[in-house]
Amino acid sequence: DGGITQSPKYLFRKEGQNVTLSCEQNLNHDAMYWYRQDPGQGLRLIYYSQIVNDFQKGDIAEGYSVSREKKESFPLTVTSAQKNPTAFYLCASSRPGLAGGPDNEQFFGPGTRLTVL
Amino acid sequence: AQSVTQLDSHVSVSEGTPVLLRCNYSSSYSPSLFWYVQHPNKGLQLLLKYTSAATLVKGINGFEAEFKKSETSFHLTKPSAHMSDAAEYFCVVSERGNTPLVFGKGTRLSVIA
Repeated sequence: DGGITQSPKYLFRKEGQNVTLSCEQNLNHDAMYWYRQDPGQGLRLIYYSQIVNDFQKGDIAEGYSVSREKKESFPLTVTSAQKNPTAFYLCASSRPGLAGGPDNEQFFGPGTRLTVL
Repeated sequence: AQSVTQLDSHVSVSEGTPVLLRCNYSSSYSPSLFWYVQHPNKGLQLLLKYTSAATLVKGINGFEAEFKKSETSFHLTKPSAHMSDAAEYFCVVSERGNTPLVFGKGTRLSVIA
């Protein structure tokens, strides 16, 4: 089955610790995205990558870092610099990379819920 | 710059009655528009998308949406609500090029038995 997997489903972190959220896709999509979701605020873009070895900051990149060494993987690290990391994190991918365009339909993973203790 | 406004944060309907979720957009170009649905603690699933082929778009689970350029609207409708439709719905806009999607803040749909 093709799709996007995120792990773990639930993650607990102590203050001051870095944690890495996994996102893998086997859809052969060029572009991948990380969003943060808080109640009543919709989805906010953290980082996105349109091609391997390249990524751009989204609206709320502070306190987060990413890498894109392989086409199918786009891990997100939540660093200790992120002031309020408790949230639901969603990873997505889409077919067009630098071309963009009307087929920019995004496919989403099941999400990771991060809680800071 | 593109933006999306979902006019209702919460809509409540009785089972079997029509559903209307309202969305207005702002875009400098001819946009692509999407509706996604999210059930609790799940990822987002695409309901339907508009990409300029036809103004009335049919999606999954009996939902449809009409693109009205003059009103800059893309409202989501369903003739008869089912209990399983209770979820969060997001209206999304995308312009051509490299710009990421822009999401509305969501509308929570409750269906009362």
